[in-house]
Amino acid sequence: KNQVEQSPQSLIILEGKNCTLQCNYTVSPFSNLRWYKQDTGRGPVSLTIMTFSENTKSNGRYTATLDADTKQSSLHITASQLSDSASYICVVSAGNAGNMLTFGGGTRLMVKP
Amino acid sequence: DGGITQSPKYLFRKEGQNVTLSCEQNLNHDAMYWYRQDPGQGLRLIYYSQIVNDFQKGDIAEGYSVSREKKESFPLTVTSAQKNPTAFYLCASSIKIRETQYFGPGTRLLVL
Repeated sequence: KNQVEQSPQSLIILEGKNCTLQCNYTVSPFSNLRWYKQDTGRGPVSLTIMTFSENTKSNGRYTATLDADTKQSSLHITASQLSDSASYICVVSAGNAGNMLTFGGGTRLMVKP
Repeated sequence: DGGITQSPKYLFRKEGQNVTLSCEQNLNHDAMYWYRQDPGQGLRLIYYSQIVNDFQKGDIAEGYSVSREKKESFPLTVTSAQKNPTAFYLCASSIKIRETQYFGPGTRLLVL
């Protein structure tokens, strides 16, 4: 069964600090992996998309990594801001017929002043 | 939320009542999706549509119905057969199936 596990479930950090969120998956065959940011009560917004051949991709203060061998991804947030407080969702797409997106449960990040 | 609108923002359902959630997009996307989000859980796919007049069941379609008569519209009906409808419902669209999905702002459904 395809699964996406994220850790930690929740995280509290001080403004200006860095943090790393983890995503482990067992989706097969792998097509791509996306990180979404979801503010409370809003729809998710795409941050990055990574394919099999990509190891690192940055989007401003967000840097995603992918290790397709160990089936792990991470999202690193640099110099956190209060507006980074949100849930971060890892989504893995399977390379076969149909929609086949598997969503992680998300990591809820709170940035405190 | 980029071109996808959902209404209403909050919806209350009485026992035995059918309710319809609206989803409209002006992005000219072929594919549209409905998800359900419960606290602490990942999004679960209810229905998706690759093209007008076509839709497929997702993982949790029981108690729900959809239609796709127009490219820009994909309404979701929560029927009385759905015994635990309280959740946050998200609509999404993508250029084609399996491309990056763009989400609407969501509708929170509560049961009276």
